[in-house]
Amino acid sequence: QQQVKQSPQSLIVQKGGISIINCAYENTAFDYFPWYQQFPGKGPALLIAIRPDVSEKKEGRFTISFNKSAKQFSLHIMDSQPGDSATYFCAARSQGAQKLVFGQGTRLTINP
Amino acid sequence: GAGVSQSPSNKVTEKGKDVELRCDPISGHTALYWYRQSLGQGLEFLIYFQGNSAPDKSGLPSDRFSAERTGGSVSTLTIQRTQQEDSAVYLCASSLGQAVVYGYTFGSGTRLTVV
Repeated sequence: QQQVKQSPQSLIVQKGGISIINCAYENTAFDYFPWYQQFPGKGPALLIAIRPDVSEKKEGRFTISFNKSAKQFSLHIMDSQPGDSATYFCAARSQGAQKLVFGQGTRLTINP
Repeated sequence: GAGVSQSPSNKVTEKGKDVELRCDPISGHTALYWYRQSLGQGLEFLIYFQGNSAPDKSGLPSDRFSAERTGGSVSTLTIQRTQQEDSAVYLCASSLGQAVVYGYTFGSGTRLTVV
């Protein structure tokens, strides 16, 4: 119930392409869905987040798509750049809680 | 400080020894969190502090793990009688208030290796 399942584990995309990372959850009490970006040797940094009352949120080249009925959400990186190469984590928070439940992470590599 | 500071950045310890990991959150951040990141795994929640109290310590894996926070600021995570399975990166995060509104700011972590 508390799990967030993330796929794929690793992803290689050509420069300029679209990177897509998917997450699925079971707990309908989740009410906040952030994505974090982590570079080697650094802690994760908040990238973008969405609430379940909207189906899409866009910030620059990064877009979250949210499908409440399917209990799935995804991160799309448009015009992917080598500097986007990092590990990406989806996460979710249960209503009333403070802690986040994280997915397993996706290692993204953008080839120049 | 400008960010969340963790020390040491790396720690190698012998099995059975005790270790202390330190977290200095961003000044004024009332919420503080500890997570553990094992190789190839996601982040595993350990404990959450609001001020000096810990309303959620449900993620501490055993009674060998403990944490405290003093003065609403610095936090220390202590692992007693370390085991090889404790090897991981221990991440601390702080938040101005509710994480939903403000998000977490993570430190760079302490890489713990138990040999």
